[in-house]
Amino acid sequence: AQSVAQPEDQVNVAEGNPLTVKCTYSVSGNPYLFWYVQYPNRGLQFLLKYITGDNLVKGSYGFEAEFNKSQTSFHLKKPSALVSDSALYFCAVLTGGGNKLTFGTGTQLKVEL
Amino acid sequence: DAGITQSPRYKITETGRQVTLMCHQTWSHSYMFWYRQDLGHGLRLIYYSAAADITDKGEVPDGYVVSRSKTENFPLTLESATRSQTSVYFCASRMGQGKNTGELFFGEGSRLTVL
Repeated sequence: AQSVAQPEDQVNVAEGNPLTVKCTYSVSGNPYLFWYVQYPNRGLQFLLKYITGDNLVKGSYGFEAEFNKSQTSFHLKKPSALVSDSALYFCAVLTGGGNKLTFGTGTQLKVEL
Repeated sequence: DAGITQSPRYKITETGRQVTLMCHQTWSHSYMFWYRQDLGHGLRLIYYSAAADITDKGEVPDGYVVSRSKTENFPLTLESATRSQTSVYFCASRMGQGKNTGELFFGEGSRLTVL
């Protein structure tokens, strides 16, 4: 079955420092991978996706993600974290013949002053 | 305003009662989805629909019923609510397959508590 795993329930980082939120995938064939963000009491918002092409994908709010086929990873990164980046982040993979998104369990990012 | 709206936003009910959560989108997106969000499980797909009158089961469909008589509406019904169905429910939609596949638009969620 196609799936993604987020090994960290929570990530803490100081404002101004780089951040990384980890995601690994288990997919047969070419993976279509996504990152979403959820702010408190809100629905999820699309951040970025990897379909094919460059391994470094740029998305909204200064976020980027690096696709690494050999490590089966798709880590979310940002060079300089902001307090306003504090939120719940979900990695997801397209499954079901391209019909459905399967989400990871989420990683709570906390950016502190 | 255009968008995807869910109602009610908050609902408390009792075990055994029927509950319907509504979802309405104004984009004429062909695909619609219902997810539930629970701590430690992330989001799990309950049901989805590729078009009006076409629905399919997701990962956790037991105890739920959906219908899609119109493109813009996708109600989710709990026929006999159980405590294990206490959760936050999210409706989402997207355009048909193509370059935007996987880019879902989510509603604000419906928080359901079953006593």
